[in-house]
Amino acid sequence: DGGITQSPKYLFRKEGQNVTLSCEQNLNHDAMYWYRQDPGQGLRLIYYSQIVNDFQKGDIAEGYSVSREKKESFPLTVTSAQKNPTAFYLCASSKTVIYGYTFGSGTRLTVV
Amino acid sequence: GDSVTQMEGPVTLSEEAFLTINCTYTATGYPSLFWYVQYPGEGLQLLLKATKADDKGSNKGFEATYRKETTSFHLEKGSVQVSDSAVYFCALRLVDSNYQLIWGAGTKLIIKP
Repeated sequence: DGGITQSPKYLFRKEGQNVTLSCEQNLNHDAMYWYRQDPGQGLRLIYYSQIVNDFQKGDIAEGYSVSREKKESFPLTVTSAQKNPTAFYLCASSKTVIYGYTFGSGTRLTVV
Repeated sequence: GDSVTQMEGPVTLSEEAFLTINCTYTATGYPSLFWYVQYPGEGLQLLLKATKADDKGSNKGFEATYRKETTSFHLEKGSVQVSDSAVYFCALRLVDSNYQLIWGAGTKLIIKP
């Protein structure tokens, strides 16, 4: 079955470290997205990509970076410049405008 | 600008009660409308959608009708169960939106036995 896979499910980061969250989809979707969700809050868009080798900043891109070298993959790096990275990170993908998104199961990042 | 407004939660109901979660939108074009559900510790799942006025989306006993005259897409269920406890998100998508969804803030639903 097709789907979207995020890994790891839980991630711990020391202060000053960069960490990379993985997102892979086998749905042949063109667009991919990264969202951040804080406890009891809604979704905030970090980055999105509509095609390979192209991506755009969302509402809260500072302290994050992405790449889109393959259609199937859209990894997110949380850099040391992100001062408050503890959150739940959700990756999503989408094929066309009349459909919604398919979401991964999320990665919970904690700074220790 | 384009936006989605949901009723604030938490909404607390007893099992078998009737559920309504209000969702209204502001959009310059003709959006597609969606409801997503998020169970604790999980990602979001598409619950139902409607792509044009007067369409009714339905799934798992939930329904929502795309009302263009009132710019609304309220979520309803006739008899809720404890397993329906989750956070529900309303969202819209415009044809020229570069595939982006515009999200409501989410409504937490708590069903008591």
